[in-house]
Amino acid sequence: AQSVSQHNHHVILSEAASLELGCNYSYGGTVNLFWYVQYPGQHLQLLLKYFSGDPLVKGIKGFEAEFIKSKFSFNLRKPSVQWSDTAEYFCAVNAPSNTGKLIFGQGTTLQVKP
Amino acid sequence: EAGVVQSPRYKIIEKKQPVAFWCNPISGHNTLYWYLQNLGQGPELLIRYENEEAVDDSQLPKDRFSAERLKGVDSTLKIQPAELGDSAVYLCASSRNNEQFFGPGTRLTVL
Repeated sequence: AQSVSQHNHHVILSEAASLELGCNYSYGGTVNLFWYVQYPGQHLQLLLKYFSGDPLVKGIKGFEAEFIKSKFSFNLRKPSVQWSDTAEYFCAVNAPSNTGKLIFGQGTTLQVKP
Repeated sequence: EAGVVQSPRYKIIEKKQPVAFWCNPISGHNTLYWYLQNLGQGPELLIRYENEEAVDDSQLPKDRFSAERLKGVDSTLKIQPAELGDSAVYLCASSRNNEQFFGPGTRLTVL
């Protein structure tokens, strides 16, 4: 069965620090990969997605993620975080050739100190 | 483009009472999902619709949960009777081209 693991449950950074959130998945076939963000009091929003092609994808607000197939990973990065990046971040995977179901990780809470 | 609409945003009920949630997906999105999100966890799929057909309801606790999408547009999710453990956020999403868009959710508190 597919699963998604996010290694960091709670991350605290100061403004301007660099961010990397880990995400690993378990599925041997073709996958679509997503990062969603949930700002306090708001709904889940898509940050970026990978379907195929260049494994380094750029999303909104300066975020990017790199798909490393050999490591089953899709880590999220941002070179310099801002206080407004304080939110919960979810990695998600679906396998179109399987059930197509979107499987989420447990989320990482990012707190950015001003 | 309007987003996914859900109502109510908050609901507080006593255990054993029934409750219903409503979702209106983005216009033109044929696929609709209901998710359950517990505190500190990622969303978990309850049911997926393709138009009016439920194509994946394997995670829906059918003894107390039911859902419908009669005309292939908006959908309702019902719990009867509610239990204390049902307290969570219920999310609706719709999709096009494998990208899912989420509504604001309904936060259910069962007392």
